[in-house]
Amino acid sequence: AQTVTQSQPEMSVQEAETVTLSCTYDTSESDYYLFWYKQPPSRQMILVIRQEAYKQQNATENRFSVNFQKAAKSFSLKISDSQLGDAAMYFCAYRTVTGANSKLTFGKGITLSVRP
Amino acid sequence: EAQVTQNPRYLITVTGKKLTVTCSQNMNHEYMSWYRQDPGLGLRQIYYSMNVEVTDKGDVPEGYKVSRKEKRNFPLILESPSPNQTSLYFCASRPLGGGHLTGELFFGEGSRLTVL
Repeated sequence: AQTVTQSQPEMSVQEAETVTLSCTYDTSESDYYLFWYKQPPSRQMILVIRQEAYKQQNATENRFSVNFQKAAKSFSLKISDSQLGDAAMYFCAYRTVTGANSKLTFGKGITLSVRP
Repeated sequence: EAQVTQNPRYLITVTGKKLTVTCSQNMNHEYMSWYRQDPGLGLRQIYYSMNVEVTDKGDVPEGYKVSRKEKRNFPLILESPSPNQTSLYFCASRPLGGGHLTGELFFGEGSRLTVL
């Protein structure tokens, strides 16, 4: 079974600085999706960024980018120019491409605080 | 507006009193799923449905039931709630097929359930 590990429960960053959130996963499959979701205090689950495993190029979305290391099974999220609104819980998630369910498997999440 | 709608958003109930959390999506998605979120555990899948009248268990199905009589609706039923079902619940949906175009899961806003 696939597992997703976020080993840091909390992190803090100074406003305007850069922070990297770590995520590792375990799978025997070669094709899959990886995601980072943001959950602000409103509890809504917001998709931040998505990476398809077959793509070697790292995904980027404005201030958010990933470092996808397929061989190492690592998928870290870099937030540049951190803003107060980035304070939230962040979840890393994995989904297989094949299979009847192909559910999202989540890590335990990391709480990010942004210092003004 | 494309969305997944859950109701109620908040509910406090007592042990043994049957309740239903409704979920409706307006995107004509085939796949729907329920997750529960607990501190330190991330999100875990309860049940999922591939289409009308097709449902199956996820990772933590005990104490829950679902039905899928219409494509847009996927209610979560707690026949006899217990305190260990106190949690934050999310309904989510996505289309099936289309290969790499169908990675994203669309989430509802969450339902906070407390069982006393």
